[in-house]
Amino acid sequence: GAVVSQHPSRVICKSGTSVKIECRSLDFQATTMFWYRQFPKKSLMLMATSNEGSKATYEQGVEKDKFLINHASLTLSTLTVTSAHPEDSSFYICSASPGGRGLDEQYFGPGTRLTVT
Amino acid sequence: AQSVAQPEDQVNVAEGNPLTVKCTYSVSGNPYLFWYVQYPNRGLQFLLKYITGDNLVKGSYGFEAEFNKSQTSFHLKKPSALVSDSALYFCAVRDHSGGYQKVTFGTGTKLQVIP
Repeated sequence: GAVVSQHPSRVICKSGTSVKIECRSLDFQATTMFWYRQFPKKSLMLMATSNEGSKATYEQGVEKDKFLINHASLTLSTLTVTSAHPEDSSFYICSASPGGRGLDEQYFGPGTRLTVT
Repeated sequence: AQSVAQPEDQVNVAEGNPLTVKCTYSVSGNPYLFWYVQYPNRGLQFLLKYITGDNLVKGSYGFEAEFNKSQTSFHLKKPSALVSDSALYFCAVRDHSGGYQKVTFGTGTKLQVIP
């Protein structure tokens, strides 16, 4: 149980284009979803927290107009990297939490490797 | 503000030997503590958590961790390491002082189990 999927697993795009990454909770309803960015040999950097049906809460320093997050349903959140640049290349990981007591645990997706050329 | 420190970038241990991956934390209130494991090009997998109760917490794959309030530590341990335990391990903390707060992750410790 508690499986989270991400699609695509890898994507290569050209500079200036936009890329959408999907995060789905497959066997539970995710009240809250999180988007992280992971740099090589670094920890996870929380980008934003999204609750179903409301606007995402972005961490300081994360451009909300560049990283668009939509949490339209209890099983799906999307991250769109708009006008991507090479410095946006990274490993993006989502996680989902069932909420309530389950908010203590986050279930992570397998990650998406974005390469911007 | 809350923070987590994992002082070792890498830990090497021989197969069959006990292993310890260190973690210390700082919160203003009561901590919720977690350990996650990440295999190459994979997302994180939950190993165990401390919320309240017994200081020794048992988790997946034979791992356990001991909460030590006086030392503000939550070290991950396993009595006998397996080669398959080789991975990146993250400690995380959340301050449970009322209301939801984000989880802060440590920088990770690479565990290498040598056959």
